[in-house]
Amino acid sequence: GNSVTQMEGPVTLSEEAFLTINCTYTATGYPSLFWYVQYPGEGLQLLLKATKADDKGSNKGFEATYRKETTSFHLEKGSVQVSDSAVYFCALSTLGTRFGAGTRLTVKP
Amino acid sequence: DAGVTQSPTHLIKTRGQQVTLRCSPKSGHDTVSWYQQALGQGPQFIFQYYEEEERQRGNFPDRFSGHQFPNYSSELNVNALLLGDSALYLCASSFTDGYGYTFGSGTRLTVV
Repeated sequence: GNSVTQMEGPVTLSEEAFLTINCTYTATGYPSLFWYVQYPGEGLQLLLKATKADDKGSNKGFEATYRKETTSFHLEKGSVQVSDSAVYFCALSTLGTRFGAGTRLTVKP
Repeated sequence: DAGVTQSPTHLIKTRGQQVTLRCSPKSGHDTVSWYQQALGQGPQFIFQYYEEEERQRGNFPDRFSGHQFPNYSSELNVNALLLGDSALYLCASSFTDGYGYTFGSGTRLTVV
């Protein structure tokens, strides 16, 4: 079945460090891929998306590229800020979106 | 423009009871999906409704059922509640599927 596996957390970084959160997927067909973010005390928000192979989604300095050959959609940011502290969820969509378990990121000043 | 609205925000029920949760999708959205999120876990897909039909279902028992109305709003019903049904129930709406969801704030269900 369709599923998403993302790196386990928690991840703790210093401000301005480089961030990578790994995500791989298993799916039949050609799903759309997403990253959602959940800030403390808030609901889930769509961060970025990619709908076909080699597409790059980007938003708020975050990027992720849809890699069909490696079935991956890793999230990256060049310089994290304290305000990026949140839980990040990778997800894929094929008639109902499936989510990964989430990766908690803490950024320290 | 109102986003996704869920009611109630919190609910306490006794084991064996039945519960109905409600969701109004974002204006312009026609697809409603329901999720169960346990503490510290990712959302687990329950089912998706489109054009008043259940289009896809996750690995949840038949105790979980739903409905979508002509105005695209939706209900999630859970019968014979178990302690393990205690969780945050999230409703998400979208325009068809594959374009990304808008989530509601959820209903926190506690079964005692």
